[in-house]
Amino acid sequence: ETGVTQTPRHLVMGMTNKKSLKCEQHLGHNAMYWYKQSAKKPLELMFVYSLEERVENNSVPSRFSPECPNSSHLFLHLHTLQPEDSALYLCASSRGFGETQYFGPGTRLLVL
Amino acid sequence: DAKTTQPNSMESNEEEPVHLPCNHSTISGTDYIHWYRQLPSQGPEYVIHGLTSNVNNRMASLAIAEDRKSSTLILHRATLRDAAVYYCILRFEGNLIFGKGTKLSVKP
Repeated sequence: ETGVTQTPRHLVMGMTNKKSLKCEQHLGHNAMYWYKQSAKKPLELMFVYSLEERVENNSVPSRFSPECPNSSHLFLHLHTLQPEDSALYLCASSRGFGETQYFGPGTRLLVL
Repeated sequence: DAKTTQPNSMESNEEEPVHLPCNHSTISGTDYIHWYRQLPSQGPEYVIHGLTSNVNNRMASLAIAEDRKSSTLILHRATLRDAAVYYCILRFEGNLIFGKGTKLSVKP
Protein backbone atom coordinates (compact mmCIF):
# COMPACT_ATOMS: atom_id res chain seq x y z
CA GLU A 1 0.00 0.00 0.00
CA THR A 2 1.75 3.14 -1.23
CA GLY A 3 -0.91 5.71 -0.35
CA VAL A 4 -1.85 6.14 -4.01
CA THR A 5 -5.08 4.53 -5.15
CA GLN A 6 -6.45 4.15 -8.65
CA THR A 7 -9.92 3.27 -9.85
CA PRO A 8 -11.04 1.33 -11.68
CA ARG A 9 -8.36 -1.35 -11.64
CA HIS A 10 -9.61 -2.81 -14.92
CA LEU A 11 -11.58 -1.18 -17.73
CA VAL A 12 -12.85 -2.39 -21.07
CA MET A 13 -14.22 0.24 -23.42
CA GLY A 14 -15.26 0.61 -27.02
CA MET A 15 -13.70 3.14 -29.33
CA THR A 16 -16.73 5.43 -29.11
CA ASN A 17 -17.02 5.40 -25.32
CA LYS A 18 -16.07 8.11 -22.88
CA LYS A 19 -14.58 7.02 -19.57
CA SER A 20 -12.44 8.48 -16.81
CA LEU A 21 -9.61 7.09 -14.72
CA LYS A 22 -9.26 8.35 -11.18
CA CYS A 23 -6.20 8.65 -8.98
CA GLU A 24 -6.15 9.72 -5.35
CA GLN A 25 -3.15 10.20 -3.09
CA HIS A 26 -3.28 10.30 0.70
CA LEU A 27 0.32 11.43 1.20
CA GLY A 28 -0.05 15.20 1.22
CA HIS A 29 1.98 15.45 -1.96
CA ASN A 30 1.94 18.41 -4.34
CA ALA A 31 2.87 16.77 -7.64
CA MET A 32 1.01 14.07 -9.56
CA TYR A 33 1.84 12.15 -12.72
CA TRP A 34 0.20 9.97 -15.37
CA TYR A 35 2.27 7.26 -17.09
CA LYS A 36 1.40 4.75 -19.80
CA GLN A 37 2.94 1.28 -19.83
CA SER A 38 2.35 -0.71 -23.02
CA ALA A 39 3.36 -4.32 -23.41
CA LYS A 40 7.10 -4.70 -23.83
CA LYS A 41 7.71 -0.93 -23.82
CA PRO A 42 9.16 1.30 -21.12
CA LEU A 43 6.92 3.47 -19.00
CA GLU A 44 6.07 6.67 -20.83
CA LEU A 45 5.41 9.89 -18.96
CA MET A 46 2.17 11.48 -20.18
CA PHE A 47 1.33 14.39 -17.88
CA VAL A 48 2.71 16.09 -14.80
CA TYR A 49 0.88 18.41 -12.43
CA SER A 50 2.58 20.44 -9.73
CA LEU A 51 0.41 22.40 -7.30
CA GLU A 52 -2.55 21.67 -9.59
CA GLU A 53 -0.88 23.31 -12.59
CA ARG A 54 0.11 21.22 -15.58
CA VAL A 55 3.88 21.41 -16.01
CA GLU A 56 4.46 18.67 -18.56
CA ASN A 57 2.53 17.31 -21.51
CA ASN A 58 4.61 14.86 -23.51
CA SER A 59 2.91 15.16 -26.91
CA VAL A 60 -0.03 13.08 -25.81
CA PRO A 61 -2.99 12.86 -28.25
CA SER A 62 -5.96 15.04 -27.37
CA ARG A 63 -8.16 11.98 -26.85
CA PHE A 64 -6.46 11.86 -23.42
CA SER A 65 -7.48 14.80 -21.25
CA PRO A 66 -6.09 15.20 -17.73
CA GLU A 67 -7.73 17.06 -14.89
CA CYS A 68 -6.32 17.94 -11.48
CA PRO A 69 -9.03 19.59 -9.37
CA ASN A 70 -6.89 19.61 -6.21
CA SER A 71 -3.55 18.28 -5.06
CA SER A 72 -5.03 14.96 -3.91
CA HIS A 73 -6.94 13.98 -7.04
CA LEU A 74 -5.99 13.42 -10.64
CA PHE A 75 -8.21 12.26 -13.48
CA LEU A 76 -7.56 11.06 -16.99
CA HIS A 77 -10.56 11.51 -19.25
CA LEU A 78 -10.67 9.19 -22.23
CA HIS A 79 -12.70 9.55 -25.42
CA THR A 80 -12.61 7.94 -28.86
CA LEU A 81 -9.61 5.82 -27.98
CA GLN A 82 -7.90 3.42 -30.36
CA PRO A 83 -7.03 -0.23 -29.75
CA GLU A 84 -3.34 0.73 -29.53
CA ASP A 85 -4.20 2.78 -26.44
CA SER A 86 -4.73 -0.46 -24.54
CA ALA A 87 -2.15 -0.41 -21.76
CA LEU A 88 -1.56 -0.11 -18.04
CA TYR A 89 -2.08 3.48 -16.92
CA LEU A 90 -0.15 4.38 -13.81
CA CYS A 91 -0.55 7.34 -11.51
CA ALA A 92 2.20 8.58 -9.22
CA SER A 93 2.68 11.39 -6.75
CA SER A 94 5.64 13.11 -5.13
CA ARG A 95 6.09 15.64 -2.38
CA GLY A 96 7.43 18.14 -4.85
CA PHE A 97 8.06 18.05 -8.59
CA GLY A 98 11.10 15.89 -9.29
CA GLU A 99 11.19 14.19 -5.90
CA THR A 100 10.74 10.49 -5.14
CA GLN A 101 7.59 9.20 -6.77
CA TYR A 102 5.06 6.82 -5.25
CA PHE A 103 3.02 4.83 -7.73
CA GLY A 104 -0.48 3.47 -7.62
CA PRO A 105 -1.32 -0.06 -8.78
CA GLY A 106 -2.49 1.10 -12.19
CA THR A 107 -5.61 0.73 -14.32
CA ARG A 108 -5.46 -2.00 -16.94
CA LEU A 109 -7.30 -0.59 -19.98
CA LEU A 110 -8.50 -2.59 -22.95
CA VAL A 111 -9.93 -0.75 -25.95
CA LEU A 112 -11.99 -2.86 -28.32
CA ASP B 1 15.32 8.05 -24.63
CA ALA B 2 16.59 6.40 -21.47
CA LYS B 3 20.16 7.40 -20.71
CA THR B 4 21.03 4.18 -18.91
CA THR B 5 21.99 0.68 -20.05
CA GLN B 6 21.08 -2.44 -18.08
CA PRO B 7 21.15 -6.17 -18.83
CA ASN B 8 17.77 -7.45 -19.94
CA SER B 9 17.63 -10.20 -17.34
CA MET B 10 19.52 -11.75 -14.44
CA GLU B 11 19.06 -14.79 -12.26
CA SER B 12 19.84 -15.24 -8.61
CA ASN B 13 19.48 -17.90 -5.97
CA GLU B 14 17.44 -17.23 -2.88
CA GLU B 15 19.36 -15.84 0.11
CA GLU B 16 22.39 -14.95 -2.03
CA PRO B 17 23.52 -11.40 -2.80
CA VAL B 18 22.57 -9.86 -6.13
CA HIS B 19 24.49 -7.16 -7.95
CA LEU B 20 22.47 -5.36 -10.62
CA PRO B 21 24.69 -3.23 -12.89
CA CYS B 22 23.82 -0.03 -14.70
CA ASN B 23 25.86 2.07 -17.13
CA HIS B 24 25.20 5.78 -17.51
CA SER B 25 28.23 7.10 -19.35
CA THR B 26 26.58 10.41 -20.33
CA ILE B 27 25.57 11.35 -16.79
CA SER B 28 25.86 15.03 -15.94
CA GLY B 29 27.12 16.44 -12.67
CA THR B 30 23.64 17.18 -11.38
CA ASP B 31 21.90 13.93 -12.37
CA TYR B 32 20.75 11.78 -9.47
CA ILE B 33 20.80 8.02 -9.98
CA HIS B 34 17.48 6.45 -9.02
CA TRP B 35 16.47 2.82 -8.75
CA TYR B 36 12.88 1.65 -8.85
CA ARG B 37 11.48 -1.85 -9.14
CA GLN B 38 8.22 -3.18 -10.45
CA LEU B 39 6.81 -6.36 -9.04
CA PRO B 40 4.37 -8.36 -11.17
CA SER B 41 0.97 -6.70 -11.50
CA GLN B 42 2.04 -3.66 -9.47
CA GLY B 43 3.20 -0.12 -10.09
CA PRO B 44 6.89 0.75 -9.74
CA GLU B 45 8.28 1.09 -6.24
CA TYR B 46 11.12 3.37 -5.15
CA VAL B 47 14.21 1.50 -4.01
CA ILE B 48 17.08 3.95 -3.52
CA HIS B 49 18.84 6.93 -5.03
CA GLY B 50 22.19 8.67 -4.81
CA LEU B 51 24.40 11.35 -6.32
CA THR B 52 28.05 10.58 -5.61
CA SER B 53 28.48 8.59 -2.43
CA ASN B 54 27.41 5.02 -1.80
CA VAL B 55 24.00 4.79 -0.15
CA ASN B 56 22.35 2.22 2.08
CA ASN B 57 18.76 1.77 3.17
CA ARG B 58 16.63 -1.05 4.49
CA MET B 59 15.93 -2.37 1.00
CA ALA B 60 19.29 -2.22 -0.74
CA SER B 61 22.67 -0.59 -1.20
CA LEU B 62 23.76 1.60 -4.09
CA ALA B 63 27.40 1.61 -5.12
CA ILE B 64 28.35 4.47 -7.42
CA ALA B 65 31.58 4.42 -9.40
CA GLU B 66 34.04 7.21 -8.73
CA ASP B 67 33.55 8.64 -12.25
CA ARG B 68 29.75 8.18 -11.85
CA LYS B 69 29.50 6.48 -15.23
CA SER B 70 28.17 3.31 -13.69
CA SER B 71 26.42 2.11 -10.57
CA THR B 72 25.38 -1.15 -8.97
CA LEU B 73 22.29 -1.94 -6.95
CA ILE B 74 23.04 -4.54 -4.32
CA LEU B 75 20.41 -6.75 -2.72
CA HIS B 76 22.22 -8.34 0.18
CA ARG B 77 20.05 -11.46 0.46
CA ALA B 78 17.63 -12.06 -2.37
CA THR B 79 14.22 -13.43 -1.52
CA LEU B 80 11.51 -14.72 -3.81
CA ARG B 81 9.66 -11.45 -3.23
CA ASP B 82 12.54 -9.57 -4.84
CA ALA B 83 11.69 -11.03 -8.25
CA ALA B 84 10.84 -7.93 -10.28
CA VAL B 85 11.97 -5.61 -13.05
CA TYR B 86 14.61 -3.23 -11.71
CA TYR B 87 14.95 0.18 -13.34
CA CYS B 88 18.05 2.36 -13.14
CA ILE B 89 17.05 5.93 -13.95
CA LEU B 90 18.73 9.29 -14.24
CA ARG B 91 16.41 12.04 -13.17
CA PHE B 92 16.23 14.44 -16.13
CA GLU B 93 14.87 17.97 -15.55
CA GLY B 94 12.87 16.65 -12.65
CA ASN B 95 11.36 13.74 -14.60
CA LEU B 96 12.10 10.04 -14.38
CA ILE B 97 12.82 8.54 -17.82
CA PHE B 98 12.31 4.78 -17.56
CA GLY B 99 14.19 2.29 -19.73
CA LYS B 100 13.42 -1.39 -20.12
CA GLY B 101 15.12 -2.39 -16.87
CA THR B 102 16.54 -5.72 -15.72
CA LYS B 103 14.17 -8.58 -15.03
CA LEU B 104 15.45 -10.36 -11.93
CA SER B 105 14.45 -13.96 -11.38
CA VAL B 106 15.08 -15.56 -7.98
CA LYS B 107 15.34 -19.33 -7.71
CA PRO B 108 14.50 -21.15 -4.47
